[in-house]
Amino acid sequence: SAVISQKPSRDICQRGTSLTIQCQVDSQVTMMFWYRQQPGQSLTLIATANQGSEATYESGFVIDKFPISRPNLTFSTLTVSNMSPEDSSIYLCSVEALSRNTEAFFGQGTRLTVV
Amino acid sequence: AQSVAQPEDQVNVAEGNPLTVKCTYSVSGNPYLFWYVQYPNRGLQFLLKYITGDNLVKGSYGFEAEFNKSQTSFHLKKPSALVSDSALYFCAVRDRGLSGGYNKLIFGAGTRLAVHP
Repeated sequence: SAVISQKPSRDICQRGTSLTIQCQVDSQVTMMFWYRQQPGQSLTLIATANQGSEATYESGFVIDKFPISRPNLTFSTLTVSNMSPEDSSIYLCSVEALSRNTEAFFGQGTRLTVV
Repeated sequence: AQSVAQPEDQVNVAEGNPLTVKCTYSVSGNPYLFWYVQYPNRGLQFLLKYITGDNLVKGSYGFEAEFNKSQTSFHLKKPSALVSDSALYFCAVRDRGLSGGYNKLIFGAGTRLAVHP
């Protein structure tokens, strides 16, 4: 298993500002992901964070809004840019091994409220 | 396209009674299936998975799940519910795939389990 530290755990931000969320893993992992969980809803994959290259975004998510960095195999950041109240969600970092039959591990999440 | 359905938004059960949280799936091939639990203000915790072999899978905290290929279901069960089991439960599926490449996890909408004393 992997231990994932995600911070901040929560924040209240003004609209129009940006917030960067950090994800630190205690071991080197192949796959890192960022999810969004809107209030009362399921998880939606934002992007796959690729080490040393641009992230791979899912349909409906763009780099200008959600820039992602992954400078090494244990660390990634997600920035929520130019925030609006619609961005109020829980943002989750997740890691997996490359093998398809392995489970994902999740950080504790960042609860973001935009006012 | 892959999809996961959790038909119940909420399941209510009395403490000590058996519980079932339902999940059905749709994938093009054979699936890998997972259950996760989310407690308030926490991330998701892995409970159990079905990869191959015995259709009855045992996991953490006394939970188990039964893979039924003909019904394309993977229901989560526990013989005796605890109040501390109250949480949000997610079913997830990944297609095994026939070739290289990564297949992402697809999550169901979630089912809130409420166990009453």
